[in-house]
This record gives sequence, structure tokens and C-alpha cells, in this order.
Amino acid sequence: DARVTQTPRHKVTEMGQEVTMRCQPILGHNTVFWYRQTMMQGLELLAYFRNRAPLDDSGMPKDRFSAEMPDATLATLKIQPSEPRDSAVYFCASGLVLGTGANVLTFGAGSRLTVL
Amino acid sequence: DQQVKQNSPSLSVQEGRISILNCDYTNSMFDYFLWYKKYPAEGPTFLISISSIKDKNEDGRFTVFLNKSAKHLSLHIVPSQPGDSAVYFCAASRNQFYFGTGTSLTVIP
Repeated sequence: DARVTQTPRHKVTEMGQEVTMRCQPILGHNTVFWYRQTMMQGLELLAYFRNRAPLDDSGMPKDRFSAEMPDATLATLKIQPSEPRDSAVYFCASGLVLGTGANVLTFGAGSRLTVL
Repeated sequence: DQQVKQNSPSLSVQEGRISILNCDYTNSMFDYFLWYKKYPAEGPTFLISISSIKDKNEDGRFTVFLNKSAKHLSLHIVPSQPGDSAVYFCAASRNQFYFGTGTSLTVIP
């Protein structure tokens, strides 16, 4: 049963600390998305990659957030320094996106971040 | 700027009745639309989708309707069951995926 794996599931940290969230996409999927769930914005797109190349990271606060995909099996989202307003659930999703049309994303279970 | 909007944050329906969840979008270039269901402490899971060339897609108790002229889609669940209680997100895509803010559905036994 193919699934997207995210670690850690829960993270509590203090303001100013670095946080790294990891995602293992489904093997064979060529596109990886990072979303943040907030009450006001719903699922807010932070960044996405196609064939490991970053296509759009305009949703991320550039001064503190960075997203990378060092290889096809790992995507990372890093926050440095973290702030209380970053507290949210962060979701990774992957899909086999072939042009436009019938593409479906599979989500991981999420990483719940609490910044004190 | 929110390209996909779900204007009803919550909805309560009696078991056995129809649940109708609504979604509006702004970009006429979207070519694929999806509904995801989310339970607490889990990631969203794909429920049903529809291509922009269709106006209806049905899968068991779930039907999605698309009105392109109104830039509106809806999800009908009939009959509603207590296990359908969850947050429902609509999404629109064209290479990228845009999600709404979600509607929390409660089905009352």
C-alpha cells in the first residue's frame, strides 16, 4: 500500500530553534507539494517540486523557510528560526503529474509543529 | 488571494439525508477538480474528482457537480452517514493544486 511518509509526526520546540520536517514521497511520483493547514487559509501551498526541481515557493516566508529535495526519495522543509506563528500542521503530498488533467495527490499524515 | 473558496465552514445534516458541500473558484483555466476528506490527526484523502469537460461524476453515494459558467462545484452525499463526519476540502488544479479552506461536516445519528 503506497503512502507518503512524514516525520516527525509531532514536534514541540522553542522559538528561535531550527525545525526540519521530512517527507518520503511515493516511489515513482514526480511532484511533491508542501502545504500548511491553518484555520484561516485552509491548505496553504508553501512550495512544490517537479522532478526534484523547485517550481514554486512563493507561498513560503523566504527569510526563514527553505524547501529542498536532495533526492527522489526525500523532501525537506526547514524553518530557521522558528516562531510561534509557525505553529500548524504541515502536510507533504506527492503525485504523478503528467501535464494538465487527471492528476491526484496523495497526502502524508502531517507533521504537527508547536513553537513555544 | 484565495483562488478556491468554501464559504461554509461547517454543515450539520441528519443521518440519511443529503449533504451538499459547495465550492467556488476564480480561475477559468482550472481543468480538474477534486474533493478530499480529512479526519482529525490524519492527512486528507482523495474522495472524488471531475474533469472540466464533464458536469457530473458519480461514485456510489458521492456525486460531484461542476458548473463552469458559474465557476462552482458541489459535492452531494446521499444518504449521509455518521462516518461521513469529517472536513471536506475542494481543490482545483492545472499543474498546481489549489485548495479551499474546508467545510466541517457533521452527520447527526
